[in-house]
Amino acid sequence: DSGVTQTPKHLITATGQRVTLRCSPRSGDLSVYWYQQSLDQGLQFLIHYYNGEERAKGNILERFSAQQFPDLHSELNLSSLELGDSALYFCASSLSGGASQFFGPGTRLTVL
Amino acid sequence: AQKVTQAQTEISVVEKEDVTLDCVYETRDTTYYLFWYKQPPSGELVFLIRRNSFDEQNEISGRYSWNFQKSTSSFNFTITASQVVDSAVYFCALSESPGNTGKLIFGQGTTLQVKP
Repeated sequence: DSGVTQTPKHLITATGQRVTLRCSPRSGDLSVYWYQQSLDQGLQFLIHYYNGEERAKGNILERFSAQQFPDLHSELNLSSLELGDSALYFCASSLSGGASQFFGPGTRLTVL
Repeated sequence: AQKVTQAQTEISVVEKEDVTLDCVYETRDTTYYLFWYKQPPSGELVFLIRRNSFDEQNEISGRYSWNFQKSTSSFNFTITASQVVDSAVYFCALSESPGNTGKLIFGQGTTLQVKP
């Protein structure tokens, strides 16, 4: 158990819908990262928040947004969902940027 | 551009064999970090090791060992006396250092199957 929690574990929804994925980092970690894992793209970095502020952005679609709250938990919002958004979404946390990242169990999103 | 290449897509061994997973990286940074993660069939990503670019000492942890060679831009992972529980997908990753963006760039992964 990495200490990072993610909810929900599975999510099935329809095209055009909006979903929110939630992540709680390990105790003491200030950085939260989101990654997407798909068969064709592999593991791709989406975004990094440090202590509530956006630190870095990867190839995150404009339909996707994230935030980190004062209690350091983070949410990833995915809107206008398409079939191609079906993937495993991981949250990771670390003490700071560059430190070892510990991953949560992931949320498997299926868009029908 | 930064890149991580894991040329071995799949490896199959019999239990108790030693196996080495290759990782080659590209970066222009002088300071960077390298990682290995394990993804068992259950799907989670398990942290195995983090190594910074200034530390070229090999590391051993139980049956696991890592060989970092800056001259060949490689960070290979060896499992000694493999066990069925080692069956998983293994990812090598590179972290950008400048600005501490924290972004991990992953290789495509190597699927290791250990047969009894």
